[in-house]
Amino acid sequence: AQSVTQLDSHVSVSEGTPVLLRCNYSSSYSPSLFWYVQHPNKGLQLLLKYTSAATLVKGINGFEAEFKKSETSFHLTKPSAHMSDAAEYFCVVSDPLGSARQLTFGSGTQLTVLP
Amino acid sequence: DSGVTQTPKHLITATGQRVTLRCSPRSGDLSVYWYQQSLDQGLQFLIQYYNGEERAKGNILERFSAQQFPDLHSELNLSSLELGDSALYFCASSLEGGGATEAFFGQGTRLTVV
Repeated sequence: AQSVTQLDSHVSVSEGTPVLLRCNYSSSYSPSLFWYVQHPNKGLQLLLKYTSAATLVKGINGFEAEFKKSETSFHLTKPSAHMSDAAEYFCVVSDPLGSARQLTFGSGTQLTVLP
Repeated sequence: DSGVTQTPKHLITATGQRVTLRCSPRSGDLSVYWYQQSLDQGLQFLIQYYNGEERAKGNILERFSAQQFPDLHSELNLSSLELGDSALYFCASSLEGGGATEAFFGQGTRLTVV
């Protein structure tokens, strides 16, 4: 079984300040982890993924995430927020179940960027 | 643009009706996934097909069914619709059925049941 907990439903930051979106996971296997972003009335876009290579993963638009097995965390960060970062962010875990795979989504974190 | 195409973008229908949502995966992707996004339940996995065969089932109601055709496009059929079925339905595709390959999502079909 697998699960994902996004610790904050809403995060508000000022433009130019750092962003931290927190995610903890639970998995019976060595997981794959992803962050997706959803802008209003848009589909889901992949930001970055962790697949047991480097623990610090760099994604698009300046985002990165660090996999910490001891803390079962996969927090998303960005050094400096931009207005265009305002969106909903989903942390996702994937376990390979034999030959099947399904993504388990967290409940989402709504990021607001203040001018 | 993810390369995954969903039609229609919006659908309004009455309770008790049946609708079909269509998904064309990215070129070369063999797996198709369907997800439902609602305000109260968040994003929920419904079903996965891999190269025409059902591979995994999630929280899919018996009133819902899906299939993947030889050309790999997929359809999600929703019948005896209820008000609570109003949601955004996403299709995603990936190259493989297992492992760590990421899924690419379409723009979704917004279903409104009135």
